[in-house]
Amino acid sequence: EADIYQTPRYLVIGTGKKITLECSQTMGHDKMYWYQQDPGMELHLIHYSYGVNSTEKGDLSSESTVSRIRTEHFPLTLESARPSHTSQYLCATHGTANTEAFFGQGTRLTVV
Amino acid sequence: KNQVEQSPQSLIILEGKNCTLQCNYTVSPFSNLRWYKQDTGRGPVSLTIMTFSENTKSNGRYTATLDADTKQSSLHITASQLSDSASYICVVSDRGSTLGRLYFGRGTQLTVWP
Repeated sequence: EADIYQTPRYLVIGTGKKITLECSQTMGHDKMYWYQQDPGMELHLIHYSYGVNSTEKGDLSSESTVSRIRTEHFPLTLESARPSHTSQYLCATHGTANTEAFFGQGTRLTVV
Repeated sequence: KNQVEQSPQSLIILEGKNCTLQCNYTVSPFSNLRWYKQDTGRGPVSLTIMTFSENTKSNGRYTATLDADTKQSSLHITASQLSDSASYICVVSDRGSTLGRLYFGRGTQLTVWP
């Protein structure tokens, strides 16, 4: 069973609020990822990290930011949430390019 | 452009029947191809992962095939169960970067009826 956890699972928040989505893994993997997924659509990479103090933007432009102070944690922050941020956010990790990628359960964010 | 296309977009079958899902990709240079199962509102869970040299791989009632020459893969589900209802996502990894970038298809939404 994958040891990667996301909190909260569901979040409904008002426009303009600041939120942080948590992602933690206990596998000691260096590479971590954040994906955004709308219903019926493919996953889009929004952020990734090679390791501690490493963060990069992904393919899909996002107003969110990430940090990687510890190997285990890769939180995603929205400074001012908007309805357009409504989506599912998935955190993932894998050890090397040829190994399985493990996904968290996801956070379903709704901004009203 | 690296792309992953899946068909059909959705599929309804009766419990106990078999089905085959298709995946075509243009990702290059190719590293590996994965099939994931994603239940509604949850994260994807890995079913199989195949490298260039592998033609087929099974995981219980799931059997994946890969033709690296034609850049096609299929996922065959045998004796379907109600719990197989989910989205099945084809994911291709490239080896052109240290990231091991993953390219996702939109998935095939499978519904199994009793």
